[in-house]
Amino acid sequence: DPKIIQKPKYLVAVTGSEKILICEQYLGHNAMYWYRQSAKKPLEFMFSYSYQKLMDNQTASSRFQPQSSKKNHLDLQITALKPDDSATYFCASSQGTGEGDTQYFGPGTRLLVL
Amino acid sequence: GDSVTQTEGLVTLTEGLPVMLNCTYQTIYSNPFLFWYVQHLNESPRLLLKSFTDNKRTEHQGFHATLHKSSSSFHLQKSSAQLSDSALYYCALSSASSGSWQLIFGSGTQLTVMP
Repeated sequence: DPKIIQKPKYLVAVTGSEKILICEQYLGHNAMYWYRQSAKKPLEFMFSYSYQKLMDNQTASSRFQPQSSKKNHLDLQITALKPDDSATYFCASSQGTGEGDTQYFGPGTRLLVL
Repeated sequence: GDSVTQTEGLVTLTEGLPVMLNCTYQTIYSNPFLFWYVQHLNESPRLLLKSFTDNKRTEHQGFHATLHKSSSSFHLQKSSAQLSDSALYYCALSSASSGSWQLIFGSGTQLTVMP
């Protein structure tokens, strides 16, 4: 059974619309993250959460808003979508937030903005 | 700020030949944690190996890497490439330059192993 679930797997959106990417992890981890992978920037850190609190935000745009309703959930809301937002968005989790904690990645959501 | 450099974007070699993927890093920390992640086509990245011990060889699934703080390097090696090794390989550094630990990834090296 998959330990990190991301929904949907594929997503097509129109410019200017809003979408929510879902992530749930069943590894019992306390920290969760969002990364983006595109042709321009291979793997780019976006956010980190620990015990449902925002730890770090490396996303310049406020159009990207993480939402954590439960400790094992970290959704990503994207508003006013642009074609440049087209990418694969990976959710990841780790047991803790220490320097050497291994991050486990979900299967990703591939977003295409037209 | 902290950074990771992978000089080769694409590496193509024949099955059975040795593999060496380069990784160098820059960080203010004297005890950095380095990682190698592998991503096969249409899959998500997964950890291959990690290390923070200077000059100690770390091995996993036939791959090995040694962290050399003197040269700020963490090159990935394998003695004999297999077709199944074809994948995208990322070197990553644990960095807390913005206040909490996060992974900074290099640009990745696409390894293609030919028969």
